[in-house]
Amino acid sequence: NAGVMQNPRHLVRRRGQEARLRCSPMKGHSHVYWYRQLPEEGLKFMVYLQKENIIDESGMPKERFSAEFPKEGPSILRIQQVVRGDSAAYFCASSQSGLEETQYFGPGTRLLVL
Amino acid sequence: GQQLNQSPQSMFIQEGEDVSMNCTSSSIFNTWLWYKQEPGEGPVLLIALYKAGELTSNGRLTAQFGITRKDSFLNISASIPSDVGIYFCAGQERESGGSNYKLTFGKGTLLTVNP
Repeated sequence: NAGVMQNPRHLVRRRGQEARLRCSPMKGHSHVYWYRQLPEEGLKFMVYLQKENIIDESGMPKERFSAEFPKEGPSILRIQQVVRGDSAAYFCASSQSGLEETQYFGPGTRLLVL
Repeated sequence: GQQLNQSPQSMFIQEGEDVSMNCTSSSIFNTWLWYKQEPGEGPVLLIALYKAGELTSNGRLTAQFGITRKDSFLNISASIPSDVGIYFCAGQERESGGSNYKLTFGKGTLLTVNP
């Protein structure tokens, strides 16, 4: 039973480029959450999605960042025109709908902006 | 937004010693969780606490959900080298009429165990 999968594990971008981070939730999970972790910090909530719906994006910067979770395929976190301050580890978590709401985390994508 | 104060920031102990770390919050959470993160990996859930006053064990780990719902502690007994990592507390809110989501994390406790 595969866990949450994220790719790429490491991503290097130059300032101004776009970064696309992918997350495949655990089998049977329809809720996806994205978190960002800066060095020596805890994880900070960014966005919560269900299939084809953004439920809460209150933790996501209003510009340059967007997220989607299409009917088919992985969830995508997209960062346009990256800046050095976007360098961080981005984690995706998923949970099962219904009573089981524990969030299981993927291994993360480490984004480095040069 | 809500903030969690986690302490200590780091601990350096000898193998076999017991360890205790805690988190406090200025506001109430409905669920407290403890995660462990190893280098280059995502957080792994250790213990989940759902009721105020609840005391839960998972092997050598014991965690409690404070009565006020504003704090939690994690104890590790008889530490071993593989306990090394960063331990995070997290509080989970419950949306009115809906599911839990939006974990709020502490800044973590870095644990080093000397063999």
